[in-house]
Amino acid sequence: NAGVTQTPKFQVLKTGQSMTLQCAQDMNHNSMYWYRQDPGMGLRLIYYSASEGTTDKGEVPNGYNVSRLNKREFSLRLESAAPSQTSVYFCASSEAPGGPYNEQFFGPGTRLTVL
Amino acid sequence: GNSVTQMEGPVTLSEEAFLTINCTYTATGYPSLFWYVQYPGEGLQLLLKATKADDKGSNKGFEATYRKETTSFHLEKGSVQVSDSAVYFCALQGLYGSGNTGKLIFGQGTTLQVKP
Repeated sequence: NAGVTQTPKFQVLKTGQSMTLQCAQDMNHNSMYWYRQDPGMGLRLIYYSASEGTTDKGEVPNGYNVSRLNKREFSLRLESAAPSQTSVYFCASSEAPGGPYNEQFFGPGTRLTVL
Repeated sequence: GNSVTQMEGPVTLSEEAFLTINCTYTATGYPSLFWYVQYPGEGLQLLLKATKADDKGSNKGFEATYRKETTSFHLEKGSVQVSDSAVYFCALQGLYGSGNTGKLIFGQGTTLQVKP
């Protein structure tokens, strides 16, 4: 039982390049999330998927797209990377989209640098 | 809108010292409150939570009490260890369907360094 896995762990891009961050969970969770973590700002929600087949914008969606490929996988795409997207990206999942009893489980993160 | 404010770090303590990390929040209604911990190089893990006023969450010697009158959820531990060195995040979650989507709102994080 691996929990939430993310690939890659580290990535360096040049401005304008594109890439996809992969996330998978093996807990049969319905809801998945993408966050970015920046110094002094905590974690901010980029996009989330309450259930398979649905996606919605979070707090900071500009410059990103997501795909809920199936129940297990939720990818985050940067179409044209910018230095402002340098951050650590975390994927999380939970059994259901809300409520205090639906704990979110986090992956180990992807550290992205855009030059 | 909902927000969470934590005390700025880093907090540096000697082993066995008493720890307090302050957290205050602004929210409509009655959110649930959480403390998450992030060890170096890892993702976040849920440390404890409280779902209503006056609830006390506790885990691994850490405690926090949901104080609605002061809108606070301060994290405390009586005797810290070197292994407690990590970044601690306070977070709140509004009710799903209330416009908050049940999403977590995080504070900026507080780094704790415990020296032997």
